[in-house]
Order: sequence, then structure tokens, then C-alpha cells
Amino acid sequence: SYVLTQPPSVSVAPGEAARISCGGDNLGTTEVHWYQQSPGQAPVLLIYYDTHRPSGIPERFSGSKSGDTATLTISRVEAGDEADYYCQVWDSSTGFFGTGTKVSVL
Amino acid sequence: QVQLQESGPGLVKPSGTLSLTCTVSGDSMNDYYWTWVRQPPGRGLEYIGYIYYIGSTKYNPSLESRVTMSVDTSKNEFSLNLSSVTAADTAVYYCARLERLPGWSYYMDVWGKGTTVTVSS
Repeated sequence: SYVLTQPPSVSVAPGEAARISCGGDNLGTTEVHWYQQSPGQAPVLLIYYDTHRPSGIPERFSGSKSGDTATLTISRVEAGDEADYYCQVWDSSTGFFGTGTKVSVL
Repeated sequence: QVQLQESGPGLVKPSGTLSLTCTVSGDSMNDYYWTWVRQPPGRGLEYIGYIYYIGSTKYNPSLESRVTMSVDTSKNEFSLNLSSVTAADTAVYYCARLERLPGWSYYMDVWGKGTTVTVSS
């Protein structure tokens, strides 16, 4: 079983930047995807292939990776960004999600 | 624009079989992989498995002994069966489409709204 570790929670003031990490063995050799899940809603694809943003996703959302840690950055955080965020990878043709991070806007 | 909609019983008895269907609208199922993900109350996302439009499957090893997926492209739908359910299978079940660039890994680009299934007598 592949373990992807995320911080349980991140708190950020409006207008500031939030950074969510995702760590796992050999993460540097695979692509990381990120999903946003607003309260009571289905997940939404936020970032794919580490850094790519689907059409319709604001530029405030960006992804990066260094070594075995991927990072989702939300610039200029807004109240509507309060949600759970999950990273996701594939290993041996099986999907694995991170433990999830709850972003709270102060 | 493609849309997915899950359907099925909201209540399943312990030891019974959970059966859900995902209906795809707005696009053909051809050439795509389709997946199921679940989320127990208050917990994170768990990958269940995927099915290709021609019927080949790959399941999460942790659920493999109880999971069966099928597809009916003539009806534009695919299905999930989970047998011998217990209270631990209580969750919101989501279906999603898998997309990718050639040679790269898959990502879940379109999701259904999810359906809640409770396992209880």
C-alpha cells in the first residue's frame, strides 16, 4: 500500500498564500494530481501532472514538486477556498489518495 | 459537456451486495477508463477500481475479493457491485472518468455528485 502524507489542516488569512504538502516514497518519479472537495460536494480536479491546471481553474492555484514532496499553493486565498484538498498518484495500476488537508480561512 | 450520475439503493443490509450504476451523458464512453471512489463519513477518499469501456478491469487489492465492475456502452453506463458488505462500507460513492495524455498516468477529470450508501439492518 502506498502512503501519501498530507498535513491534516492549514489555516490562512484571506489574501495570504496557503501551501499544502504531499509526501510519499519515490513521489519524484510519478505524476501527482490534486483535487478540491468543498463541503458537501464531489471532488473537483484542480491540478494534474504536478503543475497543469484544467480550464476554468483560477491561476491562484498552482502545483510544484521537489524530490518526494509535491506542493499545492493557493495564492491570495479567498473564503470560497475553504475545502478539503487531496493529492493522488498511481502505483502498480492502483490509485492512491493522500490523507487530505482541510484549509480554513481565518 | 460530459456528466456522470450515480444511482442505486441508499440502504443495504449487512452481508448483502451493494449495487450502483453510473450513467454517462454528453459524451461517448468509448476509449475511456471509468472509476469508482468512495468516502466514508468524515474520512478521506478511497479508490475502488476502474473499468475500460471494453470491460477490462483493475481493482484496489484491498477490495478485490469483493468488487465486480461491469460496463454497458449501449446504455452509456457502468456499474459497481460490492459483496459481503459491513458497516465499514457505509460511504458516499462517486463515479469518475479517467483521462490522460499518452504515456502519462490517469487523472479523474469528471466526477459524479456521489450517492450515499448506508449498510444497516
